[in-house]
Amino acid sequence: DSGVTQTPKHLITATGQRVTLRCSPRSGDLSVYWYQQSLDQGLQFLIHYYNGEERAKGNILERFSAQQFPDLHSELNLSSLELGDSALYFCASSGTRGRNEQFFGPGTRLTVL
Amino acid sequence: GQQVMQIPQYQHVQEGEDFTTYCNSSTTLSNIQWYKQRPGGHPVFLIQLVKSGEVKKQKRLTFQFGEAKKNSSLHITATQTTDVGTYFCAGPHDYKLSFGAGTTVTVRA
Repeated sequence: DSGVTQTPKHLITATGQRVTLRCSPRSGDLSVYWYQQSLDQGLQFLIHYYNGEERAKGNILERFSAQQFPDLHSELNLSSLELGDSALYFCASSGTRGRNEQFFGPGTRLTVL
Repeated sequence: GQQVMQIPQYQHVQEGEDFTTYCNSSTTLSNIQWYKQRPGGHPVFLIQLVKSGEVKKQKRLTFQFGEAKKNSSLHITATQTTDVGTYFCAGPHDYKLSFGAGTTVTVRA
């Protein structure tokens, strides 16, 4: 158990819909990262928040947005969903701004039908 | 931007054999990290190397950081079925980790 929690575990929705994925980092970790992993693919970095502020952006679509709240949990919002958005979405946390090891949550499996 | 490349993409190993997976960065790294993702699981941090030429061992796993701090390798000896999974290397760059595409290891008993 990494100490990072993600909800929901599974999500099935239709094209055009909007969903919100939630992540709670390890106690004390200020950094939250979001990744997308499609079937048999690597980890595509989406976005990094540190203590409520956006620090780095990766290949995140304009239809996707994220935020980190004062209690340090984070939400990833995916809108106007397409079939190709079906993937595993991982959240990870670390205690520093990007240099040290990351602790991954169990992931949310999103299926868009 | 920084790119981290890993080879091979797939490694099919006979149980008991050794193998090595390689990681190369387009830029010098402050450190290199390795993660393992079991099938159906999430990536789990294995180790971080910081110094030029550093070598660290974890039981049958040997990790090495190149002298120029641009490449790294993971060598597994006497592969076991528990070694099945995908091994990722990652290097920090601009407040994020750049992950390699991973080496997916399968083991023949």
